[in-house]
Amino acid sequence: QVQLQESGPGLVKPSQTLSLTCTVSGGSITSGAYYWSWVRQHPGKGLEWIGYIYYSGSTYYNPSLKSRITISADTSKNQFSLRLSSVTAADTAVYYCARSDDYIGAMDVWGQGTTVTVSS
Amino acid sequence: EIVLTQSPGTLSMSPGERATLSCRASQTVTSSYLAWYQQTPGQAPRLLIYGASSRATGIPDRFSGSGSGTDFTLTISRLEPEDFAVYYCQQYGSSPITFGQGTRLEIK
Repeated sequence: QVQLQESGPGLVKPSQTLSLTCTVSGGSITSGAYYWSWVRQHPGKGLEWIGYIYYSGSTYYNPSLKSRITISADTSKNQFSLRLSSVTAADTAVYYCARSDDYIGAMDVWGQGTTVTVSS
Repeated sequence: EIVLTQSPGTLSMSPGERATLSCRASQTVTSSYLAWYQQTPGQAPRLLIYGASSRATGIPDRFSGSGSGTDFTLTISRLEPEDFAVYYCQQYGSSPITFGQGTRLEIK
């Protein structure tokens, strides 16, 4: 079955760019009508959708973060990535990657999450 | 943006009891594109219900979802010890995708 695994630095300095990668195993990111999302969870708080990249390569971002986000895919490595620029302490969170599709619609496969702390 | 409000914030119950969790949307949720997730400490969310009432693969039938429009409910018919967790609703019919703030289900 499909599995997702996030990776990236656990510590990022303020004003720098946070970069995370989600490696997909057990299936191709270009097969089927799948959406590959990033979701974050601030410490002790709820879930916030960041954005997704569709299997075709099109992207959609949360307007609240749109000016700072880039989501891209590397099909040769079966990975998709998140870049969040100009980070502040408010971007400290657990970051999850997740999959959804045109049929179920909801996010049925999740990575385990990776903690990112923004601090000097 | 559709705001989802979950109630109650915390629900204290005992194993074997029936739990009812509510999710109210600020606008109609398109095509009942409403999901429920369960999250235990240190774990990623797990999809329970999609399309307001369809159980995800492998989810026990004690979990059921209902509702339409702006009012949705997750019911757990007989609580098992492993059901004590935080539950989130999510709408995915309108952009941006949004989540409720969560309901914590704790052991009484």
